Amino acid sequence: EDQVTQSPEALRLQEGESSSLNCSYTVSGLRGLFWYRQDPGKGPEFLFTLYSAGEEKEKERLKATLTKKESFLHITAPKPEDSATYLCAVQAGEGGSQGNLIFGKGTKLSVKP
Amino acid sequence: DGGITQSPKYLFRKEGQNVTLSCEQNLNHDAMYWYRQDPGQGLRLIYYSQIVNDFQKGDIAEGYSVSREKKESFPLTVTSAQKNPTAFYLCASKAQMSYNEQFFGPGTRLTVL
Repeated sequence: EDQVTQSPEALRLQEGESSSLNCSYTVSGLRGLFWYRQDPGKGPEFLFTLYSAGEEKEKERLKATLTKKESFLHITAPKPEDSATYLCAVQAGEGGSQGNLIFGKGTKLSVKP
Repeated sequence: DGGITQSPKYLFRKEGQNVTLSCEQNLNHDAMYWYRQDPGQGLRLIYYSQIVNDFQKGDIAEGYSVSREKKESFPLTVTSAQKNPTAFYLCASKAQMSYNEQFFGPGTRLTVL
């Protein structure tokens, strides 16, 4: 069964304290791995797409990496405005469900000043 | 500006009522999706449509119905058969190329009174 697991469920950091969020997946034929940011009461905002092991993408203080079993979202010197829930999703397989995403439960990040 | 709009932002329903949630996009995307988000759970797929006049059930379609009469619009009806409809509902769309990311609307919070 295709599955996405994110850890930790919640992470509290001090401003400037770098850390990483994990997304591990088991899927039959990875087509893409997606990271989203979601603020309370709002829709997810797209951050990155990763397609193959070894790929890395960066945006401001965020860097996403991908291996054959997991992805990491590294946050360097975070600021309070980085506080949000970060969602990981994978697109797997072929057939009738093409394009459908499987989501993890998310990691809620809090950055204190 | 291109994007996805959902209305209303908040919706209250009495027991036994059907309600319809609106989703409109002007991104010229072919595929559209409806998700349900509950606290502590990942996004779960309700219905999706890859082309006008065609749609498919997702993982939790029971108690919901959709239509796709226009490319821009994908309304979701929550029927009285849905046992626990209180949730945050998210609409998304995607360009038809297989690996493209999904873009989300701002969401509708439905509460059953």
